[in-house]
Amino acid sequence: NAGVTQTPKFQVLKTGQSMTLQCAQDMNHEYMSWYRQDPGMGLRLIHYSVGAGITDQGEVPNGYNVSRSTTEDFPLRLLSAAPSQTSVYFCASSFQTGIEGGYTFGSGTRLTVV
Amino acid sequence: SQELEQSPQSLIVQEGKNLTINCTSSKTLYGLYWYKQKYGEGLIFLMMLQKGGEEKSHEKITAKLDEKKQQSSLHITASQPSHAGIYLCGALRVDYKLSFGAGTTVTVRA
Repeated sequence: NAGVTQTPKFQVLKTGQSMTLQCAQDMNHEYMSWYRQDPGMGLRLIHYSVGAGITDQGEVPNGYNVSRSTTEDFPLRLLSAAPSQTSVYFCASSFQTGIEGGYTFGSGTRLTVV
Repeated sequence: SQELEQSPQSLIVQEGKNLTINCTSSKTLYGLYWYKQKYGEGLIFLMMLQKGGEEKSHEKITAKLDEKKQQSSLHITASQPSHAGIYLCGALRVDYKLSFGAGTTVTVRA
């Protein structure tokens, strides 16, 4: 199994550009989420989904959109990139929220907005 | 998350010595996760605790959840260079969201 796959690994954007960070899992996990990690702030939840067709906002949703048309994929869209969105983005998935074994994380996407 | 405080922010330990990291929540925990992260990489699941008073161990790492389920500690015995990294605690909330502390950076000196 590939687990949670994030693409791209690195990306540089200009202010105002839009892009989509891809996240795919092959474990048939219902729960998927996106986090951003900034120095000294740990991981902050952007958006999450408890199943196909269902999404909800986390702590820091502004400037980001998500959709969940399939169980496997949970893309994160930056509508108009800003320097404040420079961060490392992690996607995570879980079979059930709170189940032993925790959440499986992807290896991250390092985004720089100039 | 400000709801979840980790201490210390960083620590340096001599190889072979023990270390302890604390994680305190301002709200009741429905589950407490510990993860480890190496620089530039994803998070690796270490342990999950759910019941007050629960204690789990894996190799030289032990995690405890206090009786009132608002604080957890991670203890590493006889630290090794492989223990270096960032340790993050994650709190499972009643709405199933998983929020994280700011992390503790561990450096192990030979």
